[in-house]
Amino acid sequence: DVVMTQSPLSLPVTLGQPASISCRSSQSLVYSDGNTYLNWFQQRPGQSPRRLIYKVSNRDSGVPDRFSGSGSGTDFTLKISRVEAEDVGIYYCMQGTHWPGTFGQGTKLEIK
Amino acid sequence: QVQLVESGGGLVKPGGSLRLSCAASGFTFSDYYMSWIRQAPGKGLECISYISSSGSTIYYADSVKGRFTISRDNAKNSLFLQMNSLRTEDTAVYYCARDYRGDRYWGQGTLVTVSS
Repeated sequence: DVVMTQSPLSLPVTLGQPASISCRSSQSLVYSDGNTYLNWFQQRPGQSPRRLIYKVSNRDSGVPDRFSGSGSGTDFTLKISRVEAEDVGIYYCMQGTHWPGTFGQGTKLEIK
Repeated sequence: QVQLVESGGGLVKPGGSLRLSCAASGFTFSDYYMSWIRQAPGKGLECISYISSSGSTIYYADSVKGRFTISRDNAKNSLFLQMNSLRTEDTAVYYCARDYRGDRYWGQGTLVTVSS
């Protein structure tokens, strides 16, 4: 299975400051159709995961534009331009290129 | 709108069985792969099973292979997970999700607790 490695695992951030989470895969996530199936999910306390970003950099509808995704191949990044209180939670990268889909360990974002 | 609603969770003794259901609405169920994803208390997310739109292709994670069976009824827009020989380490919230590549649509989850 493809191993997804996130860093950092804990991310204390001051309100209004930027935040960045890295995700690396153990093999390339480029699929034969040319797409890279790398997603980012947010899980707020007590809630189901919510997808924020799909195929590396596409923001889901309703997701604030302070969230952005980038990367290619095996290295990917989720950035929050200015952290707000509602962003507290755990963030997971997830690859859907190789069967089975696999998730990173999660990055816990908290407010300093 | 797309909705996925799981049911069937509960408390079961080690070695027991449970059948989870997921009722889908708001999309053409028979067009999509479906998956089960679980999350143990305080832990991360694990894809445990997928089934193709027709049911002809199925995947199981090693952790559940031989004990869990995924199935679907396209006429009833429903997904199922038959869980046998349950172990304490199967305790988790079980989510059904559309597709297997990381779709945005997940259910709210159903809690399965395996304990004596």
